[in-house]
Amino acid sequence: AQRVTQPEKLLSVFKGAPVELKCNYSYSGSPELFWYVQYSRQRLQLLLRHISRESIKGFTADLNKGETSFHLKKPFAQEEDSAMYYCALRNNAGNMLTFGGGTRLMVKP
Amino acid sequence: AAGVIQSPRHLIKEKRETATLKCYPIPRHDTVYWYQQGPGQDPQFLISFYEKMQSDKGSIPDRFSAQQFSDYHSELNMSSLELGDSALYFCASSSPTGMNTEAFFGQGTRLTVV
Repeated sequence: AQRVTQPEKLLSVFKGAPVELKCNYSYSGSPELFWYVQYSRQRLQLLLRHISRESIKGFTADLNKGETSFHLKKPFAQEEDSAMYYCALRNNAGNMLTFGGGTRLMVKP
Repeated sequence: AAGVIQSPRHLIKEKRETATLKCYPIPRHDTVYWYQQGPGQDPQFLISFYEKMQSDKGSIPDRFSAQQFSDYHSELNMSSLELGDSALYFCASSSPTGMNTEAFFGQGTRLTVV
């Protein structure tokens, strides 16, 4: 069974501070991992995926297979980053997507 | 604690048939979102409802319709099914308290069109 864990329900930082949203997963195969963001009452949006190794809005995430983690990082948080962030894992067959419980990021001025 | 319930979990239909997918949000949640995830694809937003009114619309085909009922459950109706409609459909619900509320996801309904 595949499982995604986001240990922090709420993360509160000041503007300009570094941010790290934690995501751990369990999966027996080779996972495909994603970060999604949901701004207030808006639709879920894809932020980044590990296979593309890109940086979106200053966020990056590195897949660490040894630690089974896919933490989301940003060196300098902005107030507009305040949102819900979901880590998700897709299985090899591509027919199951499992979401973590989400972490609310609050960036204070 | 109660979670988002979707039914059925699996559904097999033939081309040109109709299908109805149901989503039961967490009690007291007033917002429901529907997503479609095709094989090997990222979830695509279809439509959302807030207080029984459509609040946002994404890439939902005209053959599909959805509504939210007085008890806040939502149904996605799909007509003239095509092979390409085969996908995982999942919904999420969120609560009314405050402006920044998290969404909770259902397990999804896997629709196979043959």
